[in-house]
Amino acid sequence: KAGVTQTPRYLIKTRGQQVTLSCSPISGHRSVSWYQQTPGQGLQFLFEYFSETQRNKGNFPGRFSGRQFSNSRSEMNVSTLELGDSALYLCASSLELRGGREDITDTQYFGPGTRLTVL
Amino acid sequence: GQQVMQIPQYQHVQEGEDFTTYCNSSTTLSNIQWYKQRPGGHPVFLIQLVKSGEVKKQKRLTFQFGEAKKNSSLHITATQTTDVGTYFCAGPYTGGGNKLTFGTGTQLKVEL
Repeated sequence: KAGVTQTPRYLIKTRGQQVTLSCSPISGHRSVSWYQQTPGQGLQFLFEYFSETQRNKGNFPGRFSGRQFSNSRSEMNVSTLELGDSALYLCASSLELRGGREDITDTQYFGPGTRLTVL
Repeated sequence: GQQVMQIPQYQHVQEGEDFTTYCNSSTTLSNIQWYKQRPGGHPVFLIQLVKSGEVKKQKRLTFQFGEAKKNSSLHITATQTTDVGTYFCAGPYTGGGNKLTFGTGTQLKVEL
């Protein structure tokens, strides 16, 4: 089975521009989460989508948005880019196999990430 | 909000030495997951612990979940160069879904 794919892998933008990143989950996975990874802040949760609906949201400004399509593919958008948005953006998908159990969490399968540099 | 801290932040060991990283959550967790990220790579799931006091082993790796379900540890016996990377623990958001709060990570370097 193919893993999680993310495009593009590298991106260079300038301040004020906007960017769209794409994530294709593992076939059959319906949950897609996005994380931002920086040396200073570590791995921070952005948002999660499940069945085209945002299920969870992290503490990021409204400039960060996302969506999920009917085929579970997801995109995230960052508008009015700032220097501090330079980061590795990771997408993770999961299968939703918990069967109603609240004590376990689905395994997250991460993609290779998109390295965004804002100049 | 929930915070998950790990110590140490960095660890350099000689090949063959043991290594331990500790994870502490500000809140009680229903479970804890561990991930490994190789240099230049992405996080890869290692294991999930659910029960209080649970201990699980994967070859040279031993994972433990604290009795109070607020802390966890990962111990590697006789490190090898293939163990190099950053180890993260992650706790789930209590509101449902797959939102994870990742720990600060421990970067392991193994020298020959």
